[in-house]
Amino acid sequence: DGGITQSPKYLFRKEGQNVTLSCEQNLNHDAMYWYRQDPGQGLRLIYYSQIVNDFQKGDIAEGYSVSREKKESFPLTVTSAQKNPTAFYLCASQGQNTGELFFGEGSRLTVL
Amino acid sequence: QKEVEQNSGPLSVPEGAIASLNCTYSDRGSQSFFWYRQYSGKSPELIMSIYSNGDKEDGRFTAQLNKASQYVSLLIRDSQPSDSATYLCAVISQAGTALIFGKGTTLSVSS
Repeated sequence: DGGITQSPKYLFRKEGQNVTLSCEQNLNHDAMYWYRQDPGQGLRLIYYSQIVNDFQKGDIAEGYSVSREKKESFPLTVTSAQKNPTAFYLCASQGQNTGELFFGEGSRLTVL
Repeated sequence: QKEVEQNSGPLSVPEGAIASLNCTYSDRGSQSFFWYRQYSGKSPELIMSIYSNGDKEDGRFTAQLNKASQYVSLLIRDSQPSDSATYLCAVISQAGTALIFGKGTTLSVSS
């Protein structure tokens, strides 16, 4: 089936540890995005990539890093520099002509 | 700062009624508009996209766009309890490609 696969779905981390969230798509989309959602809040843009080997910071990039070595993959690393990392992380890819975003199931990160 | 505003709700309607959800945006040059539905604990799913002024209908859903007034709305006819969710409005601003999301409106449909 075509879609976006995020892993893990749930992740617990101790303070001071880095953690990497995986995002893979088989929709052949060029553009991919990472958003963060906090309870009762909308989605806030962390990073996005419109093409392989290129990415741009979103509104809340501090404490995060990404890579885009393959078209299908856009992993997000939450570093120890991120002050409040506990959140629901959503990865999406974007339809070429429509601009529509298609989301994975999300990764819920809890810092203990 | 480009903004998308929605009433947080909750919006409560009885089963079978019409639910009306509204959204305003600040960037007059925005060209693409989307409505997503998000159930509690789940990821957003696309309901409607609209790109030109007027109405666009898909089943029980109708999206309405008025660029002059900078608002977009979503009507849900014959509301069902399964429509109870948070509805997110999203916009692509003139300068970018990323979707900017509102905080969402929570809809509750009572049977």
